[in-house]
Amino acid sequence: NAGVTQTPKFRVLKTGQSMTLLCAQDMNHEYMYWYRQDPGMGLRLIHYSVGEGTTAKGEVPDGYNVSRLKKQNFLLGLESAAPSQTSVYFCASSWTGQGNQPQHFGDGTRLSIL
Amino acid sequence: GQSLEQPSEVTAVEGAIVQINCTYQTSGFYGLSWYQQHDGGAPTFLSYNGLDGLEETGRFSSFLSRSDSYGYLLLQELQMKDSASYFCAVSGGGYQKVTFGTGTKLQVIP
Repeated sequence: NAGVTQTPKFRVLKTGQSMTLLCAQDMNHEYMYWYRQDPGMGLRLIHYSVGEGTTAKGEVPDGYNVSRLKKQNFLLGLESAAPSQTSVYFCASSWTGQGNQPQHFGDGTRLSIL
Repeated sequence: GQSLEQPSEVTAVEGAIVQINCTYQTSGFYGLSWYQQHDGGAPTFLSYNGLDGLEETGRFSSFLSRSDSYGYLLLQELQMKDSASYFCAVSGGGYQKVTFGTGTKLQVIP
């Protein structure tokens, strides 16, 4: 029972480097989300997707891009990493977007930008 | 937009009852969810309220009053393993997504 899998689990980058975070779910969920979590800030939505081939901006989208080419995968890209992007990144998926179906979260990616 | 308020920290004694409150402001409210997150772990779903009233799941209960834009999570017979952060989350506003509060860190003491 894999659920939601995020890779990598840890990463250290230098300012200006780029990288892609991968999220994969095996529950056939339509909705997928990328959040960042910073101390005292809770979970903030970066981008989300309501189905294969669709993406939309969340609360804090600047500096990030996403793609959902396959239903089971949702990629988060940082084109030019900045220290302000140091955070824990969580991917989640769900059947619906209304909250009545639970969001299933991955274990997170801990990203440090030096 | 959507906004939520919940206390930042709560301390309670093992075996006792604790209530974590959440007030929200949103357009097109759909429902209120609760998630638990242990330090270093991923959030996990606890409960959902779409209608007014109390929902019970074992030691945990969640309440919603739509007219007051208010809900709470009630944890009974507290155990040390209940020490975690608890997030309320509101869905609505037509954006097909859920907005999370900043979380309440619960510390259970012996």
